Amino acid sequence: GAVVSQHPSRVICKSGTSVKIECRSLDFQATTMFWYRQFPKKSLMLMATSNEGSKATYEQGVEKDKFLINHASLTLSTLTVTSAHPEDSSFYICSAGPAQSTDTQYFGPGTRLTVL
Amino acid sequence: DAKTTQPPSMDCAEGRAANLPCNHSTISGNEYVYWYRQIHSQGPQYIIHGLKNNETNEMASLIITEDRKSSTLILPHATLRDTAVYYCIVRVGGGNQGGKLIFGQGTELSVKP
Repeated sequence: GAVVSQHPSRVICKSGTSVKIECRSLDFQATTMFWYRQFPKKSLMLMATSNEGSKATYEQGVEKDKFLINHASLTLSTLTVTSAHPEDSSFYICSAGPAQSTDTQYFGPGTRLTVL
Repeated sequence: DAKTTQPPSMDCAEGRAANLPCNHSTISGNEYVYWYRQIHSQGPQYIIHGLKNNETNEMASLIITEDRKSSTLILPHATLRDTAVYYCIVRVGGGNQGGKLIFGQGTELSVKP
């Protein structure tokens, strides 16, 4: 299947700093990518839909100024957690699917963010 | 997108078939049934999907009832590495331009020796 990568896999930062997470589709182009977050023992929660060349679409309750999404190319979307606080500590996961594919999305390995 | 209902947990003996049920009684005609699984601290892994016909691939089989209100994922010979949370999701098909995957709570499958 198609491969989606994320970088970094794990990051620890101080409260108040910003953290950027990259999501790349390695062997296909994706006009749309999705960002999720997951708390321990919980299911994945969709945060936003990242659209190449246009603004992201955020799910209800997700602060767009807090979680900045940039989808600058057909293989890269970035999520920046601005002014991070301990409550932002979570597992962040992206997904993408080939633009020409009928249905399947593939997920990245996730990024573990810990804010001290 | 239609909601799904899955049992929170199931056990299965190693080498036996694991049958994971899913109810999606409000599914629409253009919504597909997808199955993903998530092993601890990893991203979800795609397993299989279908619209109304039964589907089989190298990982599993998907059985969808004729009225499409429920389905069953079958892992024919479960191994310890199949221990994971299994998610049944329904969403509109037809490409990746708008079909969001909304995750429920899933079924935590424990395969035991």
